[in-house]
Amino acid sequence: DAGVIQSPRHEVTEMGQEVTLRCKPISGHDYLFWYRQTMMRGLELLIYFNNNVPIDDSGMPEDRFSAKMPNASFSTLKIQPSEPRDSAVYFCASSGPRRSEQFFGPGTRLTVL
Amino acid sequence: GENVEQHPSTLSVQEGDSAVIKCTYSDSASNYFPWYKQELGKRPQLIIDIRSNVGEKKDQRIAVTLNKTAKHFSLHITETQPEDSAVYFCAASIPRGGNNRLAFGKGNQVVVIP
Repeated sequence: DAGVIQSPRHEVTEMGQEVTLRCKPISGHDYLFWYRQTMMRGLELLIYFNNNVPIDDSGMPEDRFSAKMPNASFSTLKIQPSEPRDSAVYFCASSGPRRSEQFFGPGTRLTVL
Repeated sequence: GENVEQHPSTLSVQEGDSAVIKCTYSDSASNYFPWYKQELGKRPQLIIDIRSNVGEKKDQRIAVTLNKTAKHFSLHITETQPEDSAVYFCAASIPRGGNNRLAFGKGNQVVVIP
């Protein structure tokens, strides 16, 4: 298995633009998590899904952020419009049924100018 | 909700010495406690974990101990090597609903001095 796959690995965009981050979880995993990592705030959980259904989105900063999981092998995190304070590394992680271990993707480093 | 704290925030050790990082949690119902290692520019990777039905687990040079009464668990690295330099995150499971969610600490920077 290739592990959790994220794209793009790096994204540089201008303030106001729409940004879409993508994630493919490990095959067979039924939980998917989106995290944001910054020096100031550490690793923050934004939203997570179970069997493609959003369970808790209380960590999503504001309405500019949205996430979807249309099927078991794909999820997106969208920021519209983006702002400089959204600059961070965004990680996707997945975990399997009846197992608590979370496996992280390589992350997307987002820079909003 | 679950609150996880790590101490110290930064730890410098001489190569070959041991390093110990302590983590405290607030929810006594938490039952799963992983440690992740994150090297600069890379993803967090699980290095060891422990469940509440055991008090200690060891894997080569790393070990984790759990004290459920005091609600803390520690990561022990023996015979440290330069490649152990990284940020280490502890986490505790959020027990309600069985939803596999973890609460992470802020991380400890470990620096191994050659």
